[in-house]
Amino acid sequence: ETGVTQTPRHLVMGMTNKKSLKCEQHLGHNAMYWYKQSAKKPLELMFVYSLEERVENNSVPSRFSPECPNSSHLFLHLHTLQPEDSALYLCASSQDRGVTGELFFGEGSRLTVL
Amino acid sequence: GQNIDQPTEMTATEGAIVQINCTYQTSGFNGLFWYQQHAGEAPTFLSYNVLDGLEEKGRFSSFLSRSKGYSYLLLKELQMKDSASYLCAVSPDNYGQNFVFGPGTRLSVLP
Repeated sequence: ETGVTQTPRHLVMGMTNKKSLKCEQHLGHNAMYWYKQSAKKPLELMFVYSLEERVENNSVPSRFSPECPNSSHLFLHLHTLQPEDSALYLCASSQDRGVTGELFFGEGSRLTVL
Repeated sequence: GQNIDQPTEMTATEGAIVQINCTYQTSGFNGLFWYQQHAGEAPTFLSYNVLDGLEEKGRFSSFLSRSKGYSYLLLKELQMKDSASYLCAVSPDNYGQNFVFGPGTRLSVLP
């Protein structure tokens, strides 16, 4: 098993659809993240969870709704998205809050909103 | 605010040495990271600097000057597989989880 697994890898949805992205980490980490990667833009932090508690929400529109049922799983629920939300959504994990360590990224979910 | 700058694109020849620069202005500093990202793949960790100086790891080295807000990634003996984007990221706070990323430098290694 790879360290951080994301599904689906590709998703096409209409603006009225509801879908979810899933992330699972097998590294025993306590912190998980959602990042958005758009073309020619820096990685944008969306949400951080530490020990299943949300600790960061960088002014993300409410059409994105995260869920962290346990320290190994992270979801991003999507509804009524806009075409400008089309991007690569990367999940990552790190060892622990308060310990500066590298991020371990999943392969990403490529989202296209029509 | 938080700001990280990197060159957008660089080109180098196989076997050569290339230096990718990164300058940062952040509210705090708790370490600087370099990641490599091949097209269509996840970013992977390359190096971490928290103190001034050079960290060497095989063909890759990373340098940090905190007083200048400056870092570089040095790639030696370039190989075709080094063609990728290189992301500079800073951890600006003591919690260690609020990483700020630069735009990335897309490196093309030519034969």
